[in-house]
Amino acid sequence: DQQVKQNSPSLSVQEGRISILNCDYTNSMFDYFLWYKKYPAEGPTFLISISSIKDKNEDGRFTVFLNKSAKHLSLHIVPSQPGDSAVYFCAASAGGGSNYKLTFGKGTLLTVNP
Amino acid sequence: DTGVSQDPRHKITKRGQNVTFRCDPISEHNRLYWYRQTLGQGPEFLTYFQNEAQLEKSRLLSDRFSAERPKGSFSTLEIQRTEQGDSAMYLCASSLAARRSSYEQYFGPGTRLTVT
Repeated sequence: DQQVKQNSPSLSVQEGRISILNCDYTNSMFDYFLWYKKYPAEGPTFLISISSIKDKNEDGRFTVFLNKSAKHLSLHIVPSQPGDSAVYFCAASAGGGSNYKLTFGKGTLLTVNP
Repeated sequence: DTGVSQDPRHKITKRGQNVTFRCDPISEHNRLYWYRQTLGQGPEFLTYFQNEAQLEKSRLLSDRFSAERPKGSFSTLEIQRTEQGDSAMYLCASSLAARRSSYEQYFGPGTRLTVT
């Protein structure tokens, strides 16, 4: 039973365009959502997060949108750069009651073409 | 702040051997997590420490797995009698129990285990 789903295994975009990565979840107890970026042979790097009480969080080129009613979140990268090419993981937490442990999706491989 | 470190980065072992991995979290972080990642999957939670206390273990953590965090600093993860199914990337993450940052975990580079 996958509680966090990233249905697109891969995404390819042109440099300078927008990248949109999507994530769906099923557990209503999740109250915080995070995006991690992972290069080969490295651990995941924290990118941006959003609390369930918000619907948008922005940090530079990265914006995360949360639609609680649809149990859906998305990560927008504008403009996309070749250095953004990596695997992006969506993660969710149900907070202190679950010891803040993270539940991850399977990841989306983003390729930004020059 | 040197980040989370893990040692070794790679380990190749024969089936039936025991292996031990080490994780050094960010120094002021009191929470420490172990995850396992296999090919094509996201990281999966294994176990959690707050300071030196192991407060949660996943059902993924069979009896052959044991983890410790003596003195609430570094942590070790030991796998006894390794099986080929144990081949994976083992990731350690740490976080600080503080109101605004409790959710954000910072990961080490991982230990890649190959069981032959």
